[in-house]
Amino acid sequence: GEDVEQSLFLSVREGDSSVINCTYTDSSSTYLYWYKQEPGAGLQLLTYIFSNMDMKQDQRLTVLLNKKDKHLSLRIADTQTGDSAIYFCAEILYGGSQGNLIFGKGTKLSVKP
Amino acid sequence: NAGVTQTPKFRILKIGQSMTLQCTQDMNHNYMYWYRQDPGMGLKLIYYSVGAGITDKGEVPNGYNVSRSTTEDFPLRLELAAPSQTSVYFCASSYGGGTYEQYFGPGTRLTVT
Repeated sequence: GEDVEQSLFLSVREGDSSVINCTYTDSSSTYLYWYKQEPGAGLQLLTYIFSNMDMKQDQRLTVLLNKKDKHLSLRIADTQTGDSAIYFCAEILYGGSQGNLIFGKGTKLSVKP
Repeated sequence: NAGVTQTPKFRILKIGQSMTLQCTQDMNHNYMYWYRQDPGMGLKLIYYSVGAGITDKGEVPNGYNVSRSTTEDFPLRLELAAPSQTSVYFCASSYGGGTYEQYFGPGTRLTVT
């Protein structure tokens, strides 16, 4: 079945880079997503990558995709205390016309000043 | 625009009680979704709708019902609440299915005791 795995916790110092990793199992995934959830709030789409891309950069965010290993990562440069949140990796199934997202359990990022 | 709104924010139910979680979006989105998020877990899809009058089951539909009589509203009904339904419930909407961004509401925290 489909599964998305993430490490549960990551702690970094302000100004450092953060790298959050994710593995997925469905090789037919067309898009992969990173969502951010701040305390007490809903999820907010941060960025996404199409499965035929290796990398996508968006300001401080860099997404790397290794399709062979089914590995996705999110790098946050110059991490700030405002980046403290839970980050969810999600995949959409091939032919997912209904937008059926499969989420990982989330990685809690703590940024120390 | 308010985006996706959910009521109530918090609710405590006794076992066997029923309730309706309300969800409204003002973005004229065709697609709407209900997810649940258990502690330390990712989101699981309960039900979704691709338009008024059309609904379908997601991954975890048991114990829930939905209806979609208008484009704006997508209520989720819990009949005979059970402790296993203690969770945070998120409603989301998107313009289309597949890769269109899903916009999330702030969530309803439900406790069944």
